[in-house]
Amino acid sequence: AQTVTQSQPEMSVQEAETVTLSCTYDTSESNYYLFWYKQPPSRQMILVIRQEAYKQQNATENRFSVNFQKAAKSFSLKISDSQLGDTAMYFCAFKGRNAGNMLTFGGGTRLMVKP
Amino acid sequence: DSGVTQTPKHLITATGQRVTLRCSPRSGDLSVYWYQQSLDQGLQFLIQYYNGEERAKGNILERFSAQQFPDLHSELNLSSLELGDSALYFCASSVAAQGSPYEQYFGPGTRLTVT
Repeated sequence: AQTVTQSQPEMSVQEAETVTLSCTYDTSESNYYLFWYKQPPSRQMILVIRQEAYKQQNATENRFSVNFQKAAKSFSLKISDSQLGDTAMYFCAFKGRNAGNMLTFGGGTRLMVKP
Repeated sequence: DSGVTQTPKHLITATGQRVTLRCSPRSGDLSVYWYQQSLDQGLQFLIQYYNGEERAKGNILERFSAQQFPDLHSELNLSSLELGDSALYFCASSVAAQGSPYEQYFGPGTRLTVT
């Protein structure tokens, strides 16, 4: 079974600065997908960024980028130029190719962006 | 707006009762997933349906059941409710059943409170 670990329950960052959220996972699969989801106070789950394990290039989406280290099974999220609207819970999620399409989530990191 | 709808938004009921949560997937999506988000268990996958058939089961209690109808909407039935069933229940949908890179789109969730 896959496990996803987010070791930082809470983090804070000043507006306009950069913050990195950590995620590690454990799997025996070689092909899989990794995601970061954002959950603001509204509770809506919003996809932030996606990485396919067979791609060596790190994914980027505007101010959001990942550092994907397949050998280390690490998938961190970097938020640049943090904005107040980035305040939310962030969940790292794993999806295997062989074991169904369900997402396995980490415990989440609560990010507070301070003005 | 993800295109996934869930009703009701909030539900308050007593222990021992039975409730039904409803989900309509995005247009064109054949897979529906149910997740439970609770304070002590985090975000957990419950069950997946694809085009009317059950495809995968996660940590779903025997008191819980689900189905997907010919119009692709899905219902999650929770019976003999206990205080510990209080949680946010998410429905998500995606195009494919397994092995695809396509992300899951989450509905706004149904907040269940058992008193």
